Amino acid sequence: GENVEQHPSTLSVQEGDSAVIKCTYSDSASNYFPWYKQELGKRPQLIIDIRSNVGEKKDQRIAVTLNKTAKHFSLHITETQPEDSAVYFCAASFGNEKLTFGTGTRLTIIP
Amino acid sequence: EPEVTQTPSHQVTQMGQEVILRCVPISNHLYFYWYRQILGQKVEFLVSFYNNEISEKSEIFDDQFSVERPDGSNFTLKIRSTKLEDSAMYFCASSPSEGRTEAFFGQGTRLTVV
Repeated sequence: GENVEQHPSTLSVQEGDSAVIKCTYSDSASNYFPWYKQELGKRPQLIIDIRSNVGEKKDQRIAVTLNKTAKHFSLHITETQPEDSAVYFCAASFGNEKLTFGTGTRLTIIP
Repeated sequence: EPEVTQTPSHQVTQMGQEVILRCVPISNHLYFYWYRQILGQKVEFLVSFYNNEISEKSEIFDDQFSVERPDGSNFTLKIRSTKLEDSAMYFCASSPSEGRTEAFFGQGTRLTVV
């Protein structure tokens, strides 16, 4: 089955700087890669996703890149703000099948 | 904006008791899921449900677990005889349709088994 690894587990970034979180996946059949933001005690919220037919997607300060050959994808947050502090999870799936989540990255933005 | 809703938000139960966690997926969504998250850990897949039947289940989803869609709106997870290790946050999620794979999560039910 699919296995998703995520690094780093914790990340502290000065406000205004960029943050990068990386994930690798094992199943080459996976074709959908979402990123979720989870604040303490709350639901995972989808912030951006990418499908295997594109290499990069951007939404304002958030971007995701995908390298299918290497089987890794990354989340980039630019101009970080205090409200970006949360736990971020990457995930992978094939079609509408189950999401396999990474272990999470606790991002702390230092004011 | 439509949301997946779950009830109750918090459930405390004694070991060995049955619990039913309830979810109302977003209407017109076709795929339904249950995930769980033990405190401080990653989200883990339990079961997926499509066209009124289980499409996939994980090794966690043993004979103590069952799911039902009793009517056109509710989607329930039943744990027959709860164990201490069932304590976790349980999330329901739904996806719109084939080819649209975004999964939207409910706010979760925190299950505490004592």
